[in-house]
Amino acid sequence: LAKTTQPISMDSYEGQEVNITCSHNNIATNDYITWYQQFPSQGPRFIIQGYKTKVTNEVASLFIPADRKSSTLSLPRVSLSDTAVYYCLVRNSGNTPLVFGKGTRLSVIA
Amino acid sequence: SAVISQKPSRDICQRGTSLTIQCQVDSQVTMMFWYRQQPGQSLTLIATANQGSEATYESGFVIDKFPISRPNLTFSTLTVSNMSPEDSSIYLCSVVSPKGGTGRGPQETQYFGPGTRLLVL
Repeated sequence: LAKTTQPISMDSYEGQEVNITCSHNNIATNDYITWYQQFPSQGPRFIIQGYKTKVTNEVASLFIPADRKSSTLSLPRVSLSDTAVYYCLVRNSGNTPLVFGKGTRLSVIA
Repeated sequence: SAVISQKPSRDICQRGTSLTIQCQVDSQVTMMFWYRQQPGQSLTLIATANQGSEATYESGFVIDKFPISRPNLTFSTLTVSNMSPEDSSIYLCSVVSPKGGTGRGPQETQYFGPGTRLLVL
């Protein structure tokens, strides 16, 4: 599995757009990029997944360049409740369990 | 999606004892996993539990310490045996369930339970 690298922590003010970039230089052709969010004392929650270009849902957008060696999770207009740890993962099939890196601890302040 | 519940949600145990954690899923799933999350750390995969076969353990985890049962497609247990303070962690059950959505990508999503917070004294 491709190793992922993302910033350890980020701070943001409420109402700002937050972009968290993840690098995955060794991503394979069959791999997909998946992002999870984890609040304290809860299990991780699926946010978004993509293969290339751009994916958008009601929570976030995911931007993946053509070489797929990195991806950026974009959270529009964050609020205090978006304070959490965000994990970038690479996966290739539903039979392979997710392998977690350290994640990015996002702190949103008023 | 899949809704996962775990029991107990938290427990405080004495060293040398054992605790069995239950994981219940609201739908039948083939793949089930157990993770551990130590304080302030990321998740670490303990084992993969498939119904009707022996669990597969990751490096550093052994069956004698973490026996797993998977009697059917909606239930599993993880036992933490002969506990020591180093076993104090959150233990999470996870399943892969069909996403049922459209668009390109794996049609499965991995879901996580709320976790069991264990403190060993």
